[in-house]
Amino acid sequence: GESVGLHLPTLSVQEGDNSIINCAYSNSASDYFIWYKQESGKGPQFIIDIRSNMDKRQGQRVTVLLNKTVKHLSLQIAATQPGDSAVYFCAETLGGYQKVTFGIGTKLQVIP
Amino acid sequence: KAGVTQTPRYLIKTRGQQVTLSCSPISGHRSVSWYQQTPGQGLQFLFEYFSETQRNKGNFPGRFSGRQFSNSRSEMNVSTLELGDSALYLCASSLSGTDEKLFFGSGTQLSVL
Repeated sequence: GESVGLHLPTLSVQEGDNSIINCAYSNSASDYFIWYKQESGKGPQFIIDIRSNMDKRQGQRVTVLLNKTVKHLSLQIAATQPGDSAVYFCAETLGGYQKVTFGIGTKLQVIP
Repeated sequence: KAGVTQTPRYLIKTRGQQVTLSCSPISGHRSVSWYQQTPGQGLQFLFEYFSETQRNKGNFPGRFSGRQFSNSRSEMNVSTLELGDSALYLCASSLSGTDEKLFFGSGTQLSVL
């Protein structure tokens, strides 16, 4: 039969505005979470991570929030720039070896 | 420090053939994992190797196999290729492979005709 591609959510943001990308993760026992950015023609690149004993972590222009009650992860990008245009993936790991489960991704488009 | 290197970058094969993809991890990284990325299924875990041992495996048929050498370099093999194996195959390395960030290569784009 005909395969159906994943419908990739798209977020369009004006340059200079803040972006919020959301992710619902699948396993309540997951204890380590990462956000990756993937630009066209490249592999995913690490942005920021957070462990399950935290609910917020900040990096340079990025903040990750973790809500374990509703199994929700978000990535906030401050002052979004054209170079931030990419697909963003959340990923979760359940304590141990690197069997990482990735979300479907969100495409971020920055409007100059 | 050089990043994760994957070869070849592009590959075209026909159904029924087999293919071997190569991955050189970042120096000092002992864990290598492989992922398949397709528009239909997203990023899916294939397997993970550490010190030449497969420690974890995803839900892929036995046609997909891999190995790791003593210098941590890894190869994955796909036998009896099917059209549905067309995908971007990504290799990632990390220090120990336990709850830490992954460093990805640019991938091998495999097209099966």
